[in-house]
Amino acid sequence: AQTVTQSQPEMSVQEAETVTLSCTYDTSESDYYLFWYKQPPSRQMILVIRQEAYKQQNATENRFSVNFQKAAKSFSLKISDSQLGDAAMYFCASVSGQGAQKLVFGQGTRLTINP
Amino acid sequence: GAVVSQHPSRVICKSGTSVKIECRSLDFQATTMFWYRQFPKQSLMLMATSNEGSKATYEQGVEKDKFLINHASLTLSTLTVTSAHPEDSSFYICSARSVRLAGSDTQYFGPGTRLTVL
Repeated sequence: AQTVTQSQPEMSVQEAETVTLSCTYDTSESDYYLFWYKQPPSRQMILVIRQEAYKQQNATENRFSVNFQKAAKSFSLKISDSQLGDAAMYFCASVSGQGAQKLVFGQGTRLTINP
Repeated sequence: GAVVSQHPSRVICKSGTSVKIECRSLDFQATTMFWYRQFPKQSLMLMATSNEGSKATYEQGVEKDKFLINHASLTLSTLTVTSAHPEDSSFYICSARSVRLAGSDTQYFGPGTRLTVL
């Protein structure tokens, strides 16, 4: 069984600064994928970034990047040049590459951007 | 691309009535759709997984007679909350994925439906 843990219920950052959200996971699978989703006040889940576990290179999407430490089972999200629109709930998630491919979510981290 | 819609966005109903929520993949064929429930300030809880043309697979503790799921086509899945009661009030979210899309492991989410049962 897979588990995902986000140990930071809340984080805050000054606008234009950089913030890192933590995530650890546990899985016995060798084939899996990791995600960060953002849920703003509208409650629409938005895919932020995706990482294939077999790739050593960290995924990046504009101001968003991850630090994927496979041996440590760590998958943190770095947001650079934080903007007011980044304020949201962020969920880390994993999915096995086999079988039903059910997403397993962490508890979420609420990110506040201070102007 | 990979847009998922959900209808209605908000519904209020009386206790004992049934409510149907639709989930559509607008620009791709969804081989699998998922239904989640989210309580305030909590993470998403998977209710069931449905594949086109087959019966849904429900998670442990989810009443399949209460939450009827139909995945009749590759672009449409419906969740019917039967004989709704106030404790069924919640935010329901669907997602879809496709083996035909690059990154077939990725789920794309609908905007959610807020159900209030009076």
